[in-house]
Amino acid sequence: QQQVKQSPQSLIVQKGGIPIINCAYENTAFDYFPWYQQFPGKGPALLIAIRPDVSEKKEGRFTISFNKSAKQFSLHIMDSQPGDSATYFCAASYTGFQKLVFGTGTRLLVSP
Amino acid sequence: DAGVTQSPTHLIKTRGQQVTLRCSPKSGHDTVSWYQQALGQGPQFIFQYYEEEERQRGNFPDRFSGHQFPNYSSELNVNALLLGDSALYLCASSLGTNDEQFFGPGTRLTVL
Repeated sequence: QQQVKQSPQSLIVQKGGIPIINCAYENTAFDYFPWYQQFPGKGPALLIAIRPDVSEKKEGRFTISFNKSAKQFSLHIMDSQPGDSATYFCAASYTGFQKLVFGTGTRLLVSP
Repeated sequence: DAGVTQSPTHLIKTRGQQVTLRCSPKSGHDTVSWYQQALGQGPQFIFQYYEEEERQRGNFPDRFSGHQFPNYSSELNVNALLLGDSALYLCASSLGTNDEQFFGPGTRLTVL
């Protein structure tokens, strides 16, 4: 119940495309869902996060869609650029506890 | 505004040895969490320190221990190192019970 399942494992899109990464969870007590971006040799960087009281959140080119009934959430990257090539992790936690449970990651390659 | 810093960057140890990793939180943050990230995997929560006490712990053996100092910096200690302890060790900081966590660059530990 503590798992967060992430797909796909890897993704290749052309510049300007819209990669979509999906995550699913089972524990309905989770109420904080962040996405992190990680470049090789670096720590994860917080991109955007959402709570279950909204169905969508946008920050710049990044959008999270959240489906509470399906217990799923996804990351969309608009107008993707080669500089977006990185590994993306979804995560979940309970408010105030900060114990993040991470997905297995998606390696994104944006070709020029 | 200084972000999360960690030292050392890389470390090589042999089985059975002990290691200490260090973390300084982002300016203004008072809570430190430690994660272990095996190659190709998402980070796994080890434990969290707040007000110099361990507040939460993940599914890691007692060989993993930590400490938080009055200036909020933290140490992670691992005793009796195993080959399987080879990983990137990440420190994340946050403020109180705020859910946003910011990660440092990590310490790459190799156990031979």
